[in-house]
Amino acid sequence: EAGVAQSPRYKIIEKRQSVAFWCNPISGHATLYWYQQILGQGPKLLIQFQNNGVVDDSQLPKDRFSAERLKGVDSTLKIQPAKLEDSAVYLCASSLDPTAGRDYGYTFGSGTRLTVV
Amino acid sequence: SQKIEQNSEALNIQEGKTATLTCNYTNYSPAYLQWYRQDPGRGPVFLLLIRENEKEKRKERLKVTFDTTLKQSLFHITASQPADSATYLCALDMNTAGNKLTFGGGTRVLVKP
Repeated sequence: EAGVAQSPRYKIIEKRQSVAFWCNPISGHATLYWYQQILGQGPKLLIQFQNNGVVDDSQLPKDRFSAERLKGVDSTLKIQPAKLEDSAVYLCASSLDPTAGRDYGYTFGSGTRLTVV
Repeated sequence: SQKIEQNSEALNIQEGKTATLTCNYTNYSPAYLQWYRQDPGRGPVFLLLIRENEKEKRKERLKVTFDTTLKQSLFHITASQPADSATYLCALDMNTAGNKLTFGGGTRVLVKP
């Protein structure tokens, strides 16, 4: 089966600019996650969707970050305006449902590496 | 607050030896724990899951133990190979609803031929 697709792979922007990342999860996976991974650290959950509804966005900096999942399939994560500390890899992951993710793990995409200068 | 700690120092090991990685957690009693492998420029890949009522789980050359009293999991790679060189992440579900996986910082393993 096809994996989790993310684009772009790399992005360099200046601080205060805006940027958007796209994720296409595995077909049929109802649960989608966005994680932020700063160099040398483990991934940190930003937001979780179940179909097109938000389950958990408690760690999403809502003053500058937003995310949506239209029609319960693809998702976009946006940062506006970007700060230097947003430089990180943004990972998208999916699972069939929360129970499947708990039992069989998440499937991650390769991520988008964002550099803010 | 919940905390997951992995040894941040890289583990250098000779090919054929067993690599042992540690994952310690505090202030929580997770129902299960997962281990992932991450290669440079790639997303994490799921390896193994162990539940709180399981002491040990094996998959090919991998072995995971889970001690809920010590709040610790050990991850072993036996007969290590250079291809095992990667960063290994442990992850716990900090939410009883089973939908909030929290990762440790990872340990980098380098297997030398």
